[in-house]
Amino acid sequence: GQQLNQSPQSMFIQEGEDVSMNCTSSSIFNTWLWYKQEPGEGPVLLIALYKAGELTSNGRLTAQFGITRKDSFLNISASIPSDVGIYFCAGSGTSYDKVIFGPGTSLSVIP
Amino acid sequence: NAGVTQTPKFQVLKTGQSMTLQCAQDMNHNSMYWYRQDPGMGLRLIYYSASEGTTDKGEVPNGYNVSRLNKREFSLRLESAAPSQTSVYFCASSELGRDNQPQHFGDGTRLSIL
Repeated sequence: GQQLNQSPQSMFIQEGEDVSMNCTSSSIFNTWLWYKQEPGEGPVLLIALYKAGELTSNGRLTAQFGITRKDSFLNISASIPSDVGIYFCAGSGTSYDKVIFGPGTSLSVIP
Repeated sequence: NAGVTQTPKFQVLKTGQSMTLQCAQDMNHNSMYWYRQDPGMGLRLIYYSASEGTTDKGEVPNGYNVSRLNKREFSLRLESAAPSQTSVYFCASSELGRDNQPQHFGDGTRLSIL
């Protein structure tokens, strides 16, 4: 079945650094979603992407829908301690396919 | 602004016991979902309900049953708990019938089976 891979699996960065992470699929997706999960809470939607090549920002976060439709990228600029958490990508092939989730990228920010 | 509310937050069960996890949303959403989250595996869909009165299996339905009681509530039942069902369970809902829409999640139920 469909599977999503996320890299890196975990990151330890200094406060103020920029962060890049990506998500790849073995098949074409029409929707990419990025979520953040903080300890003890459920995932919260950060950015939704619906068109190949789309670039969308949400504050210091920017996500892109890859042109091949098999990948997506999330960048965080000037990281701060509250960026700590697990970042999940999720995607679906059509509007009637169930969304599947990647395994997550764990981000730690060192003050 | 409650959003998606899950109860209980924590539960410990013995192997073979039964339990129902409750979920309610106050956003008038049509679709509701149950996921389990295990380390390194992301979220895996157990069951979903596209609308009141309908339920369908997801990726990992074995050992679980669900009930869409009304538009607000979607419960998950473990009839005979097994240690492999130790996990964090999340309920989610989304507004439209199409399944690629963003989902709103509850804060999870942490379930341990001894």
